Amino acid sequence: GNSVTQMEGPVTLSEEAFLTINCTYTATGYPSLFWYVQYPGEGLQLLLKATKADDKGSNKGFEATYRKETTSFHLEKGSVQVSDSAVYFCALSRSSNTGKLIFGQGTTLQVKP
Amino acid sequence: DARVTQTPRHKVTEMGQEVTMRCQPILGHNTVFWYRQTMMQGLELLAYFRNRAPLDDSGMPKDRFSAEMPDATLATLKIQPSEPRDSAVYFCASGLNWEETQYFGPGTRLLVL
Repeated sequence: GNSVTQMEGPVTLSEEAFLTINCTYTATGYPSLFWYVQYPGEGLQLLLKATKADDKGSNKGFEATYRKETTSFHLEKGSVQVSDSAVYFCALSRSSNTGKLIFGQGTTLQVKP
Repeated sequence: DARVTQTPRHKVTEMGQEVTMRCQPILGHNTVFWYRQTMMQGLELLAYFRNRAPLDDSGMPKDRFSAEMPDATLATLKIQPSEPRDSAVYFCASGLNWEETQYFGPGTRLLVL
């Protein structure tokens, strides 16, 4: 079945460090891939997405490339800020035209000044 | 700035009591999702509606949980009777099924004593 696996957290970095959060998936067909972010006390927000192989999603300095050959969608940022501290969820669309998503377990990022 | 709203934001109740959570999806969205988030289980999909019709509630304990959409502007999730293990944050999300992006509300934090 379809599933998403993320690296376990928490990930603790110093400000301005490089960030990578790994995400791999198992899916039939050609799902779209997403990264959502959850700030403390809030709901999830879409951070970026990619809808087909080799697409790169980007937003707020974050990037992720849809790699079909490695079934991965790793999240990267060149220089993190304290304000990036949050929980990051990787997700895939279960099937087209339903809107349903399968989420990974989430990775907590803590950025220290 | 259209947002999903949820009420109440916080609820403390005693075991055995009925709990009703409400969600107002973004105007024009035709899909509504209910999720439960706990530390142990992460983010779980409870129910999913499209055009107000329930399409999937397989993630919901049927004996005590019920989800409805009385109209396009209101979705409800009820727990009767509530149990301590129901303590969690409950999120509502809405979207347009062909766009796949889900927009989350701020959540209802439920504590059952």
